[in-house]
Parts: sequence; structure tokens; C-alpha cells
Amino acid sequence: GAVVSQHPSWVICKSGTSVKIECRSLDFQATTMFWYRQFPKQSLMLMATSNEGSKATYEQGVEKDKFLINHASLTLSTLTVTSAHPEDSSFYICSAQTGGSVSYEQYFGPGTRLTVT
Amino acid sequence: QKEVEQDPGPLSVPEGAIVSLNCTYSNSAFQYFMWYRQYSRKGPELLMYTYSSGNKEDGRFTAQVDKSSKYISLFIRDSQPSDSATYLCAMSADSSASKIIFGSGTRLSIRP
Repeated sequence: GAVVSQHPSWVICKSGTSVKIECRSLDFQATTMFWYRQFPKQSLMLMATSNEGSKATYEQGVEKDKFLINHASLTLSTLTVTSAHPEDSSFYICSAQTGGSVSYEQYFGPGTRLTVT
Repeated sequence: QKEVEQDPGPLSVPEGAIVSLNCTYSNSAFQYFMWYRQYSRKGPELLMYTYSSGNKEDGRFTAQVDKSSKYISLFIRDSQPSDSATYLCAMSADSSASKIIFGSGTRLSIRP
């Protein structure tokens, strides 16, 4: 149980284009989803927290107009990187949590590697 | 100063050795302490969690938390080549769906 999937697992896009990453909880309802970014040999940095049906809360320094997050249902959240640039190339990981869970009960997806050329 | 400090390694030990991984932190509000294992190009996988201070054992893995020193450890006994991965410590301040702060990870390699 508690499986989270991400699609695509790997994407290459050209500078200036937009790319959408999906995060799905396969066997539970995720009232809260988190989006992280991880640069090579660095830690996971939280980008934003989203609750189903509400606007996402972005961490300081994360451009909300560039990284659009939609948590439209209890099993799906999407991250759209708009007007992507090479510096946006990174490993994007989502995690999901049910309501009433404690902090360690976040289940992580396998990640999406984005390369912007 | 980062909230959570972790030696990035790499750490290379022979198979069967005891591995010690450590993190220090600065925020005294942290109450939940986690260790995650991350294989290359994969998402992190929760190994163990501890609430407040103390020890917790699960098979070959032991987690220790010393809140007075703001220091946590993960010990791996009888290390196996399959334990080769990056180990991330992580912490959060309360039990709700709160932000988890991750360490930068220690790359561990177990030599056969």
C-alpha cells in the first residue's frame, strides 16, 4: 500500500516551453501533496505544499507563477514548469499524505528528471 | 547555518562492517527524526523514524536521537552491498502535515 507514482519519469524540453509533471496516489487519498526539487548531490528542497481543492502554499524563493501546482483531486496533483530554462533542470519529487497523518507518513514518488536544453 | 547538517561522504566500507551515519541540527523545535534511503534517480524511502530522544532498533538498523546535543545517528550492522545508497536524515517540528527538513545526504558504498 501507500504507492505514489509520477509521470513522466524523465523529460527533455526546449528552453521557453512548459512541461507538466503528474503525481498520483494509487491506493490512498492524498489530502496533502508536497513538491520537492533535488539538485545533484544536494538535499530535497520543499517547493510547495498543496491541499486538495485549495491553492498551493509556496516556500520562500519559489516563483508561484513559474511553478504552477494544481491539486484537483484526492489522488492527483500536477506541477507545471512554465517557460522552462536550463537552470530549472533538476529532479522533481512529489510526496503525498492522508489527512491526520504525522509528518513521517509522507509517501514519496519515484521522481521526474527534467532536462531543459 | 543550515538547519540540518550532514556529511555528504562518500563513505566506503567493506561488507559486514558497522556503518555510522550522523546529522546535527540547530532547531530545538524538531521532534520527529527520520532516516530515508535513496537509490540513484529514485525517490526516498523511509527507513526509520523516532519521536523525541532515545533509540529505536529495526533489524540491522538502529536510530539514535540525542536532543540535548542536537545530534542523531543511524547505525547499520552487518552491512551488505545492497545497502549502498544515499542516506538522508530528516526532521520535522510537529506531528501534523508539517514541513520536513532534509539533510544533504551521505553517499554510502559497501564493498563486497
